[in-house]
Amino acid sequence: GQNIDQPTEMTATEGAIVQINCTYQTSGFNGLFWYQQHAGEAPTFLSYNVLDGLEEKGRFSSFLSRSKGYSYLLLKELQMKDSASYLCAVMDSNYQLIWGAGTKLIIKP
Amino acid sequence: IAGITQAPTSQILAAGRRMTLRCTQDMRHNAMYWYRQDLGLGLRLIHYSNTAGTTGKGEVPDGYSVSRANTDDFPLTLASAVPSQTSVYFCASSDSKEAGELFFGEGSRLTVL
Repeated sequence: GQNIDQPTEMTATEGAIVQINCTYQTSGFNGLFWYQQHAGEAPTFLSYNVLDGLEEKGRFSSFLSRSKGYSYLLLKELQMKDSASYLCAVMDSNYQLIWGAGTKLIIKP
Repeated sequence: IAGITQAPTSQILAAGRRMTLRCTQDMRHNAMYWYRQDLGLGLRLIHYSNTAGTTGKGEVPDGYSVSRANTDDFPLTLASAVPSQTSVYFCASSDSKEAGELFFGEGSRLTVL
Protein backbone atom coordinates (compact mmCIF):
# COMPACT_ATOMS: atom_id res chain seq x y z
CA GLY A 1 0.00 0.00 0.00
CA GLN A 2 0.95 3.65 -0.22
CA ASN A 3 2.06 5.40 2.93
CA ILE A 4 3.31 8.78 4.07
CA ASP A 5 4.73 9.13 7.58
CA GLN A 6 5.43 12.35 9.43
CA PRO A 7 5.49 13.22 13.13
CA THR A 8 2.15 14.15 14.64
CA GLU A 9 3.36 17.17 16.58
CA MET A 10 6.53 19.18 17.16
CA THR A 11 7.37 22.11 19.42
CA ALA A 12 10.01 24.75 18.75
CA THR A 13 11.07 28.14 20.05
CA GLU A 14 10.62 31.46 18.29
CA GLY A 15 13.79 32.38 16.39
CA ALA A 16 15.06 28.80 16.27
CA ILE A 17 15.27 26.24 13.44
CA VAL A 18 13.04 23.19 13.08
CA GLN A 19 13.16 20.23 10.71
CA ILE A 20 10.00 18.28 9.88
CA ASN A 21 10.65 14.86 8.40
CA CYS A 22 8.55 12.89 5.95
CA THR A 23 9.09 9.34 4.74
CA TYR A 24 7.08 7.76 1.98
CA GLN A 25 6.31 4.54 0.18
CA THR A 26 4.29 5.05 -2.98
CA SER A 27 3.54 3.44 -6.31
CA GLY A 28 5.80 5.55 -8.45
CA PHE A 29 7.00 9.07 -7.84
CA ASN A 30 6.18 12.28 -9.65
CA GLY A 31 7.19 14.80 -7.03
CA LEU A 32 6.93 15.63 -3.34
CA PHE A 33 5.03 18.63 -2.05
CA TRP A 34 4.82 20.50 1.24
CA TYR A 35 1.75 22.49 2.23
CA GLN A 36 1.07 24.73 5.21
CA GLN A 37 -2.31 24.73 6.91
CA HIS A 38 -3.22 27.15 9.68
CA ALA A 39 -5.93 26.00 12.07
CA GLY A 40 -9.38 26.39 10.54
CA GLU A 41 -7.99 27.37 7.15
CA ALA A 42 -7.26 25.75 3.82
CA PRO A 43 -3.86 24.23 2.94
CA THR A 44 -1.54 26.46 0.92
CA PHE A 45 1.35 25.29 -1.27
CA LEU A 46 4.87 25.75 0.12
CA SER A 47 7.34 23.75 -1.96
CA TYR A 48 7.94 21.12 -4.60
CA ASN A 49 10.83 18.66 -5.04
CA VAL A 50 11.19 16.21 -7.88
CA LEU A 51 15.01 15.87 -8.00
CA ASP A 52 17.28 14.98 -5.11
CA GLY A 53 18.64 17.88 -3.18
CA LEU A 54 17.68 21.05 -1.40
CA GLU A 55 15.24 23.67 -2.63
CA GLU A 56 15.43 26.97 -0.77
CA LYS A 57 12.70 29.56 -0.63
CA GLY A 58 13.33 32.31 1.87
CA ARG A 59 13.15 30.99 5.43
CA PHE A 60 11.84 27.64 4.20
CA SER A 61 13.85 24.87 2.54
CA SER A 62 12.81 21.40 1.43
CA PHE A 63 15.08 18.42 0.86
CA LEU A 64 14.47 15.22 -1.06
CA SER A 65 16.22 11.85 -1.27
CA ARG A 66 14.35 9.60 -3.65
CA SER A 67 16.54 6.57 -2.96
CA LYS A 68 15.69 6.79 0.75
CA GLY A 69 12.04 7.80 0.29
CA TYR A 70 12.71 10.75 2.53
CA SER A 71 12.13 14.47 2.64
CA TYR A 72 12.33 17.21 5.20
CA LEU A 73 11.05 20.74 5.51
CA LEU A 74 13.42 23.13 7.26
CA LEU A 75 12.06 26.30 8.79
CA LYS A 76 14.57 28.93 9.93
CA GLU A 77 14.17 32.02 12.13
CA LEU A 78 10.86 30.72 13.39
CA GLN A 79 8.07 33.22 13.88
CA MET A 80 4.86 32.82 15.85
CA LYS A 81 2.92 32.90 12.58
CA ASP A 82 4.67 29.67 11.56
CA SER A 83 2.48 27.82 14.07
CA ALA A 84 0.48 25.60 11.74
CA SER A 85 0.22 22.06 10.41
CA TYR A 86 2.63 21.05 7.68
CA LEU A 87 1.40 18.47 5.20
CA CYS A 88 3.68 16.25 3.14
CA ALA A 89 2.24 14.84 -0.09
CA VAL A 90 3.67 12.63 -2.83
CA MET A 91 2.38 12.41 -6.38
CA ASP A 92 2.25 8.77 -7.47
CA SER A 93 2.57 7.19 -10.91
CA ASN A 94 -1.11 7.96 -11.64
CA TYR A 95 -0.57 11.65 -10.81
CA GLN A 96 -2.65 11.34 -7.65
CA LEU A 97 -1.47 13.08 -4.50
CA ILE A 98 -1.01 10.85 -1.46
CA TRP A 99 -1.16 12.91 1.73
CA GLY A 100 0.43 12.49 5.12
CA ALA A 101 -1.66 13.24 8.20
CA GLY A 102 0.30 16.41 8.84
CA THR A 103 2.67 17.66 11.53
CA LYS A 104 1.30 20.23 13.95
CA LEU A 105 4.07 22.71 14.72
CA ILE A 106 3.76 24.68 17.95
CA ILE A 107 5.97 27.73 18.33
CA LYS A 108 6.69 28.98 21.85
CA PRO A 109 7.99 32.46 22.65
CA ILE B 1 -10.22 38.08 -6.25
CA ALA B 2 -9.30 34.99 -8.25
CA GLY B 3 -9.59 31.65 -6.53
CA ILE B 4 -12.00 28.97 -5.43
CA THR B 5 -15.29 29.61 -3.72
CA GLN B 6 -17.08 26.97 -1.68
CA ALA B 7 -20.58 27.10 -0.25
CA PRO B 8 -21.87 26.67 2.33
CA THR B 9 -19.01 27.26 4.76
CA SER B 10 -20.83 25.35 7.45
CA GLN B 11 -23.94 23.17 7.58
CA ILE B 12 -25.72 20.92 10.05
CA LEU B 13 -27.71 18.22 8.33
CA ALA B 14 -30.10 15.49 9.46
CA ALA B 15 -29.14 11.95 8.49
CA GLY B 16 -30.88 10.81 5.35
CA ARG B 17 -31.07 14.28 3.81
CA ARG B 18 -29.58 15.16 0.44
CA MET B 19 -26.91 17.85 0.36
CA THR B 20 -24.90 19.53 -2.38
CA LEU B 21 -21.66 21.35 -1.66
CA ARG B 22 -20.87 23.94 -4.30
CA CYS B 23 -17.44 24.76 -5.69
CA THR B 24 -16.57 27.38 -8.29
CA GLN B 25 -13.16 28.45 -9.57
CA ASP B 26 -12.23 31.36 -11.83
CA MET B 27 -8.66 30.37 -12.67
CA ARG B 28 -9.65 28.30 -15.73
CA HIS B 29 -7.96 25.31 -14.17
CA ASN B 30 -8.52 21.99 -15.91
CA ALA B 31 -8.37 19.71 -12.88
CA MET B 32 -10.61 19.87 -9.82
CA TYR B 33 -10.81 17.77 -6.67
CA TRP B 34 -12.93 17.11 -3.64
CA TYR B 35 -11.19 16.07 -0.42
CA ARG B 36 -12.38 15.36 3.07
CA GLN B 37 -10.21 16.08 6.08
CA ASP B 38 -10.74 14.30 9.38
CA LEU B 39 -8.73 14.67 12.58
CA GLY B 40 -5.63 12.51 12.58
CA LEU B 41 -6.00 11.52 8.96
CA GLY B 42 -4.49 12.99 5.82
CA LEU B 43 -6.59 14.61 3.14
CA ARG B 44 -8.56 11.87 1.41
CA LEU B 45 -9.63 12.23 -2.19
CA ILE B 46 -13.34 11.68 -2.80
CA HIS B 47 -13.72 12.45 -6.50
CA TYR B 48 -11.74 14.30 -9.11
CA SER B 49 -12.12 15.72 -12.59
CA ASN B 50 -9.16 16.06 -14.93
CA THR B 51 -11.10 18.19 -17.40
CA ALA B 52 -14.63 19.43 -17.99
CA GLY B 53 -16.99 16.59 -18.87
CA THR B 54 -14.97 13.88 -17.10
CA THR B 55 -14.92 12.66 -13.49
CA GLY B 56 -13.17 9.90 -11.57
CA LYS B 57 -13.40 8.15 -8.22
CA GLY B 58 -10.83 8.80 -5.53
CA GLU B 59 -9.98 6.92 -2.38
CA VAL B 60 -13.33 7.33 -0.58
CA PRO B 61 -16.08 7.84 -3.20
CA ASP B 62 -18.93 5.84 -1.63
CA GLY B 63 -21.98 7.95 -0.77
CA TYR B 64 -20.81 10.88 -2.90
CA SER B 65 -21.32 11.94 -6.50
CA VAL B 66 -19.95 14.78 -8.61
CA SER B 67 -20.51 16.39 -11.98
CA ARG B 68 -18.35 18.65 -14.17
CA ALA B 69 -20.61 20.27 -16.72
CA ASN B 70 -18.20 23.15 -17.32
CA THR B 71 -14.68 24.25 -16.40
CA ASP B 72 -15.63 26.41 -13.43
CA ASP B 73 -18.08 24.35 -11.37
CA PHE B 74 -17.61 21.07 -9.54
CA PRO B 75 -20.45 20.32 -7.10
CA LEU B 76 -20.31 17.44 -4.64
CA THR B 77 -23.60 15.71 -3.70
CA LEU B 78 -24.35 13.51 -0.72
CA ALA B 79 -27.45 11.59 -1.81
CA SER B 80 -28.44 10.44 1.68
CA ALA B 81 -26.17 11.80 4.40
CA VAL B 82 -24.88 9.56 7.20
CA PRO B 83 -23.08 10.58 10.43
CA SER B 84 -19.75 9.18 9.14
CA GLN B 85 -19.82 11.90 6.50
CA THR B 86 -19.33 14.52 9.20
CA SER B 87 -16.10 16.17 8.11
CA VAL B 88 -14.47 19.24 6.63
CA TYR B 89 -14.68 19.18 2.85
CA PHE B 90 -12.17 20.98 0.66
CA CYS B 91 -12.53 21.67 -3.02
CA ALA B 92 -9.27 22.25 -4.90
CA SER B 93 -8.08 22.90 -8.42
CA SER B 94 -4.86 22.69 -10.38
CA ASP B 95 -3.77 23.72 -13.84
CA SER B 96 -3.59 20.06 -14.88
CA LYS B 97 -3.69 16.62 -13.28
CA GLU B 98 0.12 16.53 -13.45
CA ALA B 99 0.46 19.76 -11.47
CA GLY B 100 0.81 19.13 -7.77
CA GLU B 101 0.30 22.75 -6.80
CA LEU B 102 -3.30 22.72 -5.70
CA PHE B 103 -5.36 25.78 -4.87
CA PHE B 104 -7.90 25.09 -2.14
CA GLY B 105 -11.22 26.62 -1.26
CA GLU B 106 -11.85 27.70 2.33
CA GLY B 107 -13.62 24.47 3.20
CA SER B 108 -17.15 23.41 4.10
CA ARG B 109 -17.69 22.07 7.60
CA LEU B 110 -20.50 19.50 7.49
CA THR B 111 -22.11 17.91 10.53
CA VAL B 112 -24.55 15.04 10.00
CA LEU B 113 -26.73 14.22 13.00
